[in-house]
Amino acid sequence: GAVVSQHPSWVICKSGTSVKIECRSLDFQATTMFWYRQFPKQSLMLMATSNEGSKATYEQGVEKDKFLINHASLTLSTLTVTSAHPEDSSFYICSAPRGGAGAQGYTFGSGTRLTVV
Amino acid sequence: AQSVTQPDIHITVSEGASLELRCNYSYGATPYLFWYVQSPGQGLQLLLKYFSGDTLVQGIKGFEAEFKRSQSSFNLRKPSVHWSDAAEYFCAVGPAQGGSEKLVFGKGTKLTVNP
Repeated sequence: GAVVSQHPSWVICKSGTSVKIECRSLDFQATTMFWYRQFPKQSLMLMATSNEGSKATYEQGVEKDKFLINHASLTLSTLTVTSAHPEDSSFYICSAPRGGAGAQGYTFGSGTRLTVV
Repeated sequence: AQSVTQPDIHITVSEGASLELRCNYSYGATPYLFWYVQSPGQGLQLLLKYFSGDTLVQGIKGFEAEFKRSQSSFNLRKPSVHWSDAAEYFCAVGPAQGGSEKLVFGKGTKLTVNP
């Protein structure tokens, strides 16, 4: 079945540094990738939508300059948390819809646990 | 805007008992409906989905869900819960054809299974 490989699965970084999270679609082309953030014991909140070859669309309240999203190819989307701070510590998950409007479902990455110290 | 309500934040059942997790949605048309399960620190696993057709949907691990248009509900059920079913369950709504592809998630229901 369709797989989205997300790396790293966990990362610890110092305040002020940047962290890149990658999501690769292994056996299908992901023209769209959704990036979610999940705080402990809470639901998934959509941060942004990336589309291959164009600028990402950010949800209200999400800082574009802090969460840089690149979708340079049909199989790779990246989220870079720039100048990370402890409040950025969270679980980040990517998801790619398959088929038109997700008609074939959505495939999720396994998530990245980011801890900023 | 579409929304998903999971009224129960936390449910505790005994192993072997039946389970029903509630989900109500608000959407202008019939959306795509999903149930996902998440174990601690893990990603999401799709249990089942409803796009169209038969309103009773069978999923993996013995789960089923029934779409009731009149109640805007998509409740998840399992006749006999196993200890390994303890996890967080999320209901999600996506667009029918032509809409944005965004998925909107409910706040989740944590399931605890007592031995």
